Amino acid sequence: AQKITQTQPGMFVQEKEAVTLDCTYDTSDPSYGLFWYKQPSSGEMIFLIYQGSYDQQNATEGRYSLNFQKARKSANLVISASQLGDSAMYFCAMREVYSSASKIIFGSGTRLSIRP
Amino acid sequence: DAGVIQSPRHEVTEMGQEVTLRCKPISGHDYLFWYRQTMMRGLELLIYFNNNVPIDDSGMPEDRFSAKMPNASFSTLKIQPSEPRDSAVYFCASSSSEGSGGYEQYFGPGTRLTVT
Repeated sequence: AQKITQTQPGMFVQEKEAVTLDCTYDTSDPSYGLFWYKQPSSGEMIFLIYQGSYDQQNATEGRYSLNFQKARKSANLVISASQLGDSAMYFCAMREVYSSASKIIFGSGTRLSIRP
Repeated sequence: DAGVIQSPRHEVTEMGQEVTLRCKPISGHDYLFWYRQTMMRGLELLIYFNNNVPIDDSGMPEDRFSAKMPNASFSTLKIQPSEPRDSAVYFCASSSSEGSGGYEQYFGPGTRLTVT
């Protein structure tokens, strides 16, 4: 079974609108971390945001927030007031503290395109 | 602070040649990861090191691939002999076990390898 599932291969959003990128995960590890990375067309992988499984509040970093629903095993990324520069590939990822130590498992990604 | 540094940024070589990719992690980081990214297979973890010691090399495709980390500030990934199917973008990433974060990984710019 896939550990990280991103069901939206591609999305188009109008500039200035909010966008939600879906991510569900599967783990039996009681302690884990969830990450989102951005990969623009230039190719670099940029770390955006992190959420620990024991964190009580949803993580936020500027315009990025992680909508963490533990019971549903979802970790959606929300980008507020989207900008043209947000057009990129976005990867959800997970680290299982006990099962896989420092390894991070990546999803297949969602390509986000922002329309002017 | 300097991020993860990789060289070369682009490499074009002929089948059968030896290829060496280089990485300098972020100073103070104790984990180093090598990934390969292709359209078909996505982002694959090849090997990772902790304190210069290889921890998990289960992702290394075959014996033609080898990786070393002689010290905390340098690692190499070598392919000998190279084959056209090795063409991909190779990323190096580093992370730290210090602090209260989630061991988020910071990626280098990648090396785009083309084997003809």
